[in-house]
Amino acid sequence: DAGVTQSPTHLIKTRGQQVTLRCSPKSGHDTVSWYQQALGQGPQFIFQYYEEEERQRGNFPDRFSGHQFPNYSSELNVNALLLGDSALYLCASSQYGPGANVLTFGAGSRLTVL
Amino acid sequence: SQELEQSPQSLIVQEGKNLTINCTSSKTLYGLYWYKQKYGEGLIFLMMLQKGGEEKSHEKITAKLDEKKQQSSLHITASQPSHAGIYLCGADKMNDMRFGAGTRLTVKP
Repeated sequence: DAGVTQSPTHLIKTRGQQVTLRCSPKSGHDTVSWYQQALGQGPQFIFQYYEEEERQRGNFPDRFSGHQFPNYSSELNVNALLLGDSALYLCASSQYGPGANVLTFGAGSRLTVL
Repeated sequence: SQELEQSPQSLIVQEGKNLTINCTSSKTLYGLYWYKQKYGEGLIFLMMLQKGGEEKSHEKITAKLDEKKQQSSLHITASQPSHAGIYLCGADKMNDMRFGAGTRLTVKP
């Protein structure tokens, strides 16, 4: 049973560019959450998608946007990259409803902005 | 917003020693989750605590949620190199999870 898969695993961009990260949730899960983890910090909640809609959003600017597809997979887009966007981006999936916060995480996409 | 403070920030122990990691919340905890992260990888779910006074164990790891539900501790008995990693506590917030900064555990053989 495949868990959460993320791609790409590593990428390097320059300031001002745009990036798209992808996530496939664990089989049977319908909710996807995205987190940003800077070096030495805990994951910071970006947003959550359920039924192809953004349901919750953390304290991140509009440069961060996302999408969920009918097959529950999701994308995270970041526009106008800043040096401070360098981080590990984690995708987590769950089933909406009671127990929804037992999250299954992917291995992450490490973004470096030069 | 709810903040989770973890202590210590880092911990180095000799293999075989016991250790405790603490997680303190500024608000009442309605669901407290412990995850483990290997460096640069995703988080692995360890345990979930929901009731004040609740205690759960898995192998040599025990987690407790205090009666007032504002603090949790994670205790590892007879630590092994496989226990090394970053331990993160997380709390429910309206259908999403907020995390502490983590405790980095090193176990010396």
